[in-house]
Amino acid sequence: GAGVSQSPSNKVTEKGKDVELRCDPISGHTALYWYRQRLGQGLEFLIYFQGNSAPDKSGLPSDRFSAERTGESVSTLTIQRTQQEDSAVYLCASSLSISGGLETQYFGPGTRLLVL
Amino acid sequence: AQSVTQPDIHITVSEGASLELRCNYSYGATPYLFWYVQSPGQGLQLLLKYFSGDTLVQGIKGFEAEFKRSQSSFNLRKPSVHWSDAAEYFCAVGARETSYDKVIFGPGTSLSVIP
Repeated sequence: GAGVSQSPSNKVTEKGKDVELRCDPISGHTALYWYRQRLGQGLEFLIYFQGNSAPDKSGLPSDRFSAERTGESVSTLTIQRTQQEDSAVYLCASSLSISGGLETQYFGPGTRLLVL
Repeated sequence: AQSVTQPDIHITVSEGASLELRCNYSYGATPYLFWYVQSPGQGLQLLLKYFSGDTLVQGIKGFEAEFKRSQSSFNLRKPSVHWSDAAEYFCAVGARETSYDKVIFGPGTSLSVIP
């Protein structure tokens, strides 16, 4: 079956513009995660969804970052007024469920964002 | 709150040599532990995980990891490294937090393999 997909794969934008990053999780996966990976660094947790709700937004770096998920499927990460420090690879992952223990996370290929 | 460290930022080994990547965690109870691999140009893939039971866990691609509670460690090993193992390796620790499970990733160890 299809894995996690993300679009666009690459995005170049100018400082101050807004960008939207999309994640399509594996069908049936109720949990969805967004991470940021700066060049040469590890994964930085941004936000987690269980269904359409986000019980943990603690990783969002500022109020310029927001995310939503509709229909327990697609999620969109929006960055407003982008800054150069937002340049990174944004990874999305999904897992089957959060109940009954920790599930394996399945990662998408990421969106590489470059803010000029 | 849980945390995870990977003391080695970068490791270089010769093809055919053995490998051990270190991972140390901090968590008050028994953690859930994972190793993921990120190959060049590819997404992260789970190598293995430990939830309970046997402390020596076998994973894909010939990798194994051993949970040592006394040392708060979950080191990844492979007896003979292949050139295709060159990648970034991430250790992760998870724990229940109120109503859901949170997973924290370590900073990663970059592995280079010399032919």
